[in-house]
Amino acid sequence: SAVISQKPSRDICQRGTSLTIQCQVDSQVTMMFWYRQQPGQSLTLIATANQGSEATYESGFVIDKFPISRPNLTFSTLTVSNMSPEDSSIYLCSVWRAGELFFGEGSRLTVL
Amino acid sequence: ELKVEQNPLFLSMQEGKNYTIYCNYSTTSDRLYWYRQDPGKSLESLFVLLSNGAVKQEGRLMASLDTKARLSTLHITAAVHDLSATYFCAVDLPSGYALNFGKGTSLLVTP
Repeated sequence: SAVISQKPSRDICQRGTSLTIQCQVDSQVTMMFWYRQQPGQSLTLIATANQGSEATYESGFVIDKFPISRPNLTFSTLTVSNMSPEDSSIYLCSVWRAGELFFGEGSRLTVL
Repeated sequence: ELKVEQNPLFLSMQEGKNYTIYCNYSTTSDRLYWYRQDPGKSLESLFVLLSNGAVKQEGRLMASLDTKARLSTLHITAAVHDLSATYFCAVDLPSGYALNFGKGTSLLVTP
């Protein structure tokens, strides 16, 4: 299995602020994926992060709101910008390993 | 639009009983994934089904895949309280790089 570490594990944020979530993987991977899980909901793919290129965003998600960095093959960040209460969610990063998609522990954000 | 539909969405069952969760999907994917999520936790991979007719079992859970019917089932045998969790099925997105998830089935096993 893959070891995926996310920081912070949880945070409470004020409306209008931004927060950056970090994701560290135990070995090099080509793609890293960022998902959002709103309260009581399923997972929705935000974007795919490739090292050395801009992230690819899914419909409904834009770079200005969710800028992503991928400086190397083991690390990525997702920023949630200008937060509103609707951004209160769990944000998960994930990677493939041996044909399975593994997830980090998630970053639970609450926006007041 | 790719759809992944699970039913039921909520399931309360008694210990010792059997039940099946269904996952229908609209794509032609040959692969299907089952995950478990405990409250406040991340997702844990349960099964990866790679071809038509695939069947995998782990303890009291058995998953199967019928790609022609675009249907996967997760069968629970003699349920125990520890199986209480939310179960998600997922299929490959058309891009082939990530997964699209169903809404999840919230399972509660009661004495």
